[in-house]
Amino acid sequence: DVKVTQSSRYLVKRTGEKVFLECVQDMDHENMFWYRQDPGLGLRLIYFSYDVKMKEKGDIPEGYSVSREKKERFSLILESASTNQTSMYLCASSLKWVRLNTEAFFGQGTRLTVV
Amino acid sequence: EDKVVQSPLSLVVHEGDTVTLNCSYEVTNFRSLLWYKQEKKAPTFLFMLTSSGIEKKSGRLSSILDKKELFSILNITATQTGDSAVYLCAVEASGNQFYFGTGTSLTVIP
Repeated sequence: DVKVTQSSRYLVKRTGEKVFLECVQDMDHENMFWYRQDPGLGLRLIYFSYDVKMKEKGDIPEGYSVSREKKERFSLILESASTNQTSMYLCASSLKWVRLNTEAFFGQGTRLTVV
Repeated sequence: EDKVVQSPLSLVVHEGDTVTLNCSYEVTNFRSLLWYKQEKKAPTFLFMLTSSGIEKKSGRLSSILDKKELFSILNITATQTGDSAVYLCAVEASGNQFYFGTGTSLTVIP
């Protein structure tokens, strides 16, 4: 019954490492999103994609990149992890935006610690 | 295993109806429960609840937490089409851990 799957629940990486966070959805959704959740700052949008190979920056894209080679998979990449990227990362997907579109699902989150 | 469960998964109502969304949790070292409204790209923060029995209100939206029974409800009265969205519940635990529900999809029909 799981609809949005994030590859890891917990990750510990070293400063300077390249990190991949993977998200897969099985609902044929066009839109996919990556957020980070930090105490007192709420959920902030990093990047989103509205189609294969299409991506747009969110509110805090610095230090991140993304890849969407297939419709069902959206990867978040930290080219050189830093300690300020220690956070909770959340993936979501939704249908193409149409009037009264309310179908969206969220993953379980990945807790990334950069040491 | 720590988890957050939202129900129903989806809901369709008519304008003017009142809806209640549920969020139950099993989370060790609970600190707070958060409600968000997901429209388009980024969720909008609605409420943060830390204490049992204290209702928080914002216009037609209200929410309350029961830390004994481990759940929260989000009420929306006199619904409007603009309330159509996915409502996400999240629980913060100590150590900056967050646990998310999968969201409740609300559609309000004119």
